[in-house]
Parts: sequence; structure tokens; C-alpha cells
Amino acid sequence: NAGVTQTPKFQVLKTGQSMTLQCAQDMNHEYMSWYRQDPGMGLRLIHYSVGAGITDQGEVPNGYNVSRSTTEDFPLRLLSAAPSQTSVYFCASREQGNSGNTIYFGEGSWLTVV
Amino acid sequence: AQSVTQLGSHVSVSEGALVLLRCNYSSSVPPYLFWYVQYPNQGLQLLLKYTTGATLVKGINGFEAEFKKSETSFHLTKPSAHMSDAAEYFCAVSGINQAGTALIFGKGTTLSVSS
Repeated sequence: NAGVTQTPKFQVLKTGQSMTLQCAQDMNHEYMSWYRQDPGMGLRLIHYSVGAGITDQGEVPNGYNVSRSTTEDFPLRLLSAAPSQTSVYFCASREQGNSGNTIYFGEGSWLTVV
Repeated sequence: AQSVTQLGSHVSVSEGALVLLRCNYSSSVPPYLFWYVQYPNQGLQLLLKYTTGATLVKGINGFEAEFKKSETSFHLTKPSAHMSDAAEYFCAVSGINQAGTALIFGKGTTLSVSS
């Protein structure tokens, strides 16, 4: 049972570099989302998707892009990394149709921008 | 719109003592409420959730929470703390009948358990 798989687990970037955090789920969930976690801030929503071809912004979308070409995959792109994007990133998914359905999280991706 | 406030960023208890982690929410629609636990360097794991029905919800590892609409609260309790309960705990809310609604998290409470 793979669940939600994120790669890479650790990454160090230089300011201005771009990169993509990968997220894949094997539960056929329509709803997927990306959060970032910072000390004392909890988890804040970056972007989310309610199905293939549909994405929307969350609370802190600036500096990030997403796309949803398949149900399984929801990559997060950092266009030009900044030190303020140093954080732990979590991908999550759940069944669509009922916001009470359990959200399942990946193990996280630790990103440092120097 | 929904929001969550967790009272106390750090809670310390002795092993065997009662654990009480406080969560108050704000929601313009009837809420779904969740508690997640995060162990160091890991993802989030669901402890329990309230959707509809019984307001006292039992979860994993002996935790339970009670939904009190009049107090807009969903506090997490455990009668007797264990060393393995040391972790960060997050309360979260989403809106009923809002299929596309994301989970909104509180800022978290770190639970320390001493022997």
C-alpha cells in the first residue's frame, strides 16, 4: 500500500534555481493538495486540485505552480527558489465528494534554499 | 470561511497524567473536525474526526475528542499519557457539503511527556 508518495525527501537549492516536487497517489483520489509547514505556523495550503485538469490556489500560492494532467500525479514547481521557501512540503489526497473524508499525507519533502 | 485556534503551543505532562489539548474553531457552515498527530520527521496521521452523529469521538491510541457546538470547541483528551504520545498535534476544520474545501489547520501543539 503505497498511499501518497513524495520525492525527493531532501533537497538543497540555490537561490534562483527551479525544481519540481513530485507527488503520486495510488488510491484513485480526485482531490489532491500541497501544504507547507513552517515552525509555529502549522500547515498552510499552497495549491489544490479537485480532479485532472482542475487546479486552484490556496492560502500561500506565490512562487509555486501546479498542474494535474492525471488523477495520480500532482507535481509542485518552484519557479525561482527563494530562502523564504525553505520549508517542509506535504502532499495530501482524499476522495472527492465529501470534505469529511480522511486526508492522507505523504511523508514530506524537506527543502532548503541557500 | 473556516479557521482554527489551538490554545497553547506547548503542553507538558507527566507520564500517567491527563492530556488535554484545546482547539476552538470558526466556521460559517457546519464543520467537519479533525485531529492529526505528527511524530518527528514524519507525515501527519489521523487520530480521529467528527463528521456527524455522536459528539464524543474516539480515536486511535486512546485519544478522544468532544464536539461542543455551543462552545465551538473540539478538545482532544487522553486519560493517561504515555511517553510515546510525545509529538505535535494539529486540529483542523473543513466545511460540510463543500466538496472542494481544503482542510484548514491550527498552528499545532507540541506535547511533551516526562517520566
